[in-house]
Amino acid sequence: AQSVAQPEDQVNVAEGNPLTVKCTYSVSGNPYLFWYVQYPNRGLQFLLKYITGDNLVKGSYGFEAEFNKSQTSFHLKKPSALVSDSALYFCAVRSLYNFNKFYFGSGTKLNVKP
Amino acid sequence: GAVVSQHPSWVICKSGTSVKIECRSLDFQATTMFWYRQFPKQSLMLMATSNEGSKATYEQGVEKDKFLINHASLTLSTLTVTSAHPEDSSFYICSAKRAGATYNEQFFGPGTRLTVL
Repeated sequence: AQSVAQPEDQVNVAEGNPLTVKCTYSVSGNPYLFWYVQYPNRGLQFLLKYITGDNLVKGSYGFEAEFNKSQTSFHLKKPSALVSDSALYFCAVRSLYNFNKFYFGSGTKLNVKP
Repeated sequence: GAVVSQHPSWVICKSGTSVKIECRSLDFQATTMFWYRQFPKQSLMLMATSNEGSKATYEQGVEKDKFLINHASLTLSTLTVTSAHPEDSSFYICSAKRAGATYNEQFFGPGTRLTVL
């Protein structure tokens, strides 16, 4: 079975500080991993994805994520947080058996304080 | 590019009535659209996969007779919640996969908040 886990319900960080939102995955083969952001009462916006290649993936709005196969992790990072980054972040993995099906994590609420 | 819209953005209805939610891909053709349901402070749960011109595929536990899905064109899918009840109140989000997309990336709509009184 494929799944992702986001161990933190909430992450608090001061503006200007680096941020990390954690995600671990459980996939029997090579994972296709995604990060999405959701603002209140809005749909999900794509941030970045890892398919293959470089372990460090760069995405939208200055976010990046590092794929770590040995730790089965795909943590989302940003060097300097902005208040406007405050939102709900979802990690997702694409199903190996149904390419149209995504398994989403439970979400992590990021709070960036001025 | 790759914009997905939903209409309405929110709806309040009485118990027992039916509600239709539209999902449109505005600037691309979507052979496949997906309907998700999101409960407060929880993740998205896939309800069904909608393929243009064919019957939708429902996830286990989702009542197909209650959640009617129609994908009549390459840019429009509709979800009709029939005989809605308060427990159907939720945030419904659609997504669309661009025709010919390589990595199955999905583009999400802004969501529709349904409140059943």
